[in-house]
Amino acid sequence: GENVEQHPSTLSVQEGDSAVIKCTYSDSASNYFPWYKQELGKRPQLIIDIRSNVGEKKDQRIAVTLNKTAKHFSLHITETQPEDSAVYFCAASKNNDMRFGAGTRLTVKP
Amino acid sequence: DSGVTQTPKHLITATGQRVTLRCSPRSGDLSVYWYQQSLDQGLQFLIQYYNGEERAKGNILERFSAQQFPDLHSELNLSSLELGDSALYFCASSVGRSSGGIEQFFGPGTRLTVL
Repeated sequence: GENVEQHPSTLSVQEGDSAVIKCTYSDSASNYFPWYKQELGKRPQLIIDIRSNVGEKKDQRIAVTLNKTAKHFSLHITETQPEDSAVYFCAASKNNDMRFGAGTRLTVKP
Repeated sequence: DSGVTQTPKHLITATGQRVTLRCSPRSGDLSVYWYQQSLDQGLQFLIQYYNGEERAKGNILERFSAQQFPDLHSELNLSSLELGDSALYFCASSVGRSSGGIEQFFGPGTRLTVL
């Protein structure tokens, strides 16, 4: 089955800096890659997603890139703010099976 | 508020017991997914139902079972509980049959504590 690895497990940045979280997946047939943000004690919420026919997608300060050949995708957050502090999960999906990475705890210091 | 509801919010029980977690999907969503999130760990996909039928199975233990009823709500049954089953259990729903390319909306979760 699909295996998703996510790095780093923790990331601390200064407010205004950029943050990058990377994920790799094992199944080349995976075709949908969402990113979820989970604030402390709350439910995961989708922040951005990308399909396998697209290499990059951007939404304001958030962007995701996908390299199908290398089977990795990344989340980029620019101009980080304290409210970006949360746990971020990447996921890879094929058919009806969605597998999540272990999560990255992002801390943005004011 | 995602529109997905889960009950109860918290559940405390003893080892060896059986519990049932309940989920109501968003109006119009036909798929329900169950996930387990242990302390400081990621989301483990357990099982998916679409319109009453099992659609996909993940890392679900044999002691666990689920079903989706005609009104589309779903229940996750956990039996012979062990300490390691203590976790946050999330339900998510989506409109489509496939988890690919469609946003899943998560419920608030049920926190299960096994003593």
